[in-house]
Amino acid sequence: EVHLVESGGGLVQPGGSLRLSCAASGFTFSSCAMTWVRQAPGKGLEWVSYISDSGSHTYYADSVKGRFTISRDNSKNTLYLQLNSLTADDTALYYCAKGSGSNSIYGDWGQGTLVTVSS
Amino acid sequence: EIVLTQSPATLSLSPGESATLSCRASQSVNTYLAWYQQKPGQAPRLLIYDASNRATGIPAKFSGIGSGRDFTLTISSLEPEDFAVYYCQHRDTWPLSFGQGTRLEIK
Repeated sequence: EVHLVESGGGLVQPGGSLRLSCAASGFTFSSCAMTWVRQAPGKGLEWVSYISDSGSHTYYADSVKGRFTISRDNSKNTLYLQLNSLTADDTALYYCAKGSGSNSIYGDWGQGTLVTVSS
Repeated sequence: EIVLTQSPATLSLSPGESATLSCRASQSVNTYLAWYQQKPGQAPRLLIYDASNRATGIPAKFSGIGSGRDFTLTISSLEPEDFAVYYCQHRDTWPLSFGQGTRLEIK
């Protein structure tokens, strides 16, 4: 059974940084693309970033480009998202999701980790 | 960036009725469109991928159709557990994007 567990969220001041993690199990992590999706309180889903199975290809939403960095450690079955220069608009529940192989078809999701940016 | 516009924003129906939800893309996404269901406090659940393919374990009451710019999700014989928010998402080009969602509520 696929299991995705996000961690690393919390309260951070504007301009601060956080690193989110997503621990994966139940599948061959190194064979699957992964993605981060966020959801601000009471709002819809917003795609944030994608990383290919090997980590050689990454893509970002314009809203986070240059501030967020996605990465993965296939030896640890873990996905990461480094969040820098945070603003109140980044306040959201951050989900990691597993792709279907290299495709951006997300059939498995974690339960999310909450990031709150506030002074 | 491709913008996905879902309609209606809110759909009020009674159990037993059928629901028709729409998603229109600002440019063609071929058939690279998925539908998700999200209930309060839960992660999204994949229903349909590539416009018309049901995800694993999704009942036949959920069906999708469309290509290019216009897509439809139909839910037949609504049951209480079907009332939720539904999102479409494309995977045609980068960046990916989601529609703003349709809230399906009990009338």
